[in-house]
Amino acid sequence: QQQVKQSPQSLIVQKGGISIINCAYENTAFDYFPWYQQFPGKGPALLIAIRPDVSEKKEGRFTISFNKSAKQFSLHIMDSQPGDSATYFCAASNPDSNYQLIWGAGTKLIIKP
Amino acid sequence: NAGVTQTPKFRVLKTGQSMTLLCAQDMNHEYMYWYRQDPGMGLRLIHYSVGEGTTAKGEVPDGYNVSRLKKQNFLLGLESAAPSQTSVYFCASSWNRGGQPQHFGDGTRLSIL
Repeated sequence: QQQVKQSPQSLIVQKGGISIINCAYENTAFDYFPWYQQFPGKGPALLIAIRPDVSEKKEGRFTISFNKSAKQFSLHIMDSQPGDSATYFCAASNPDSNYQLIWGAGTKLIIKP
Repeated sequence: NAGVTQTPKFRVLKTGQSMTLLCAQDMNHEYMYWYRQDPGMGLRLIHYSVGEGTTAKGEVPDGYNVSRLKKQNFLLGLESAAPSQTSVYFCASSWNRGGQPQHFGDGTRLSIL
């Protein structure tokens, strides 16, 4: 299975709250899990990434939690700010397919002031 | 530092017309990619290149051709445009495969009437 399933499709969070976006995958060969952030009219930009030998990675207000046994990973945005309003994509790298990235469908996040 | 530059930014074509999208990167990256982004479907890989003179098919290659004659340029061609190819096209580049961030251009918005 090549899919990466992302949820929710859209999310509204109050300023200062915690935003949580989830992704699930089936292929245990996937070896690298990045999150990308995309603003309207722009290309995606790498936000944070994790490898499956680590259960959590934190960079500032952004944290990836990784559950290898459940084949799930999630992005947490602490103290969410209006400037975080964007579309977020999870992805997974498949070493069996020349490390192509398999992308989730995206989550549109709106932070209300 | 321009990064990844895509031209044109917008284009409207009639069914059956042909066109070429140009991607240029100034980071000396080996790998380059062409994606299409459609609502609710994330990014899907069309073709990619692992170095000058090489190309390979991605997830959705039909109806597209590519060429990488120079390391810094990656061209995407539509020989006979179809309405189903209406999309936003993104080019990306990276140092190499596996665990390296992909750097994206700002996209080409293409409409096929």
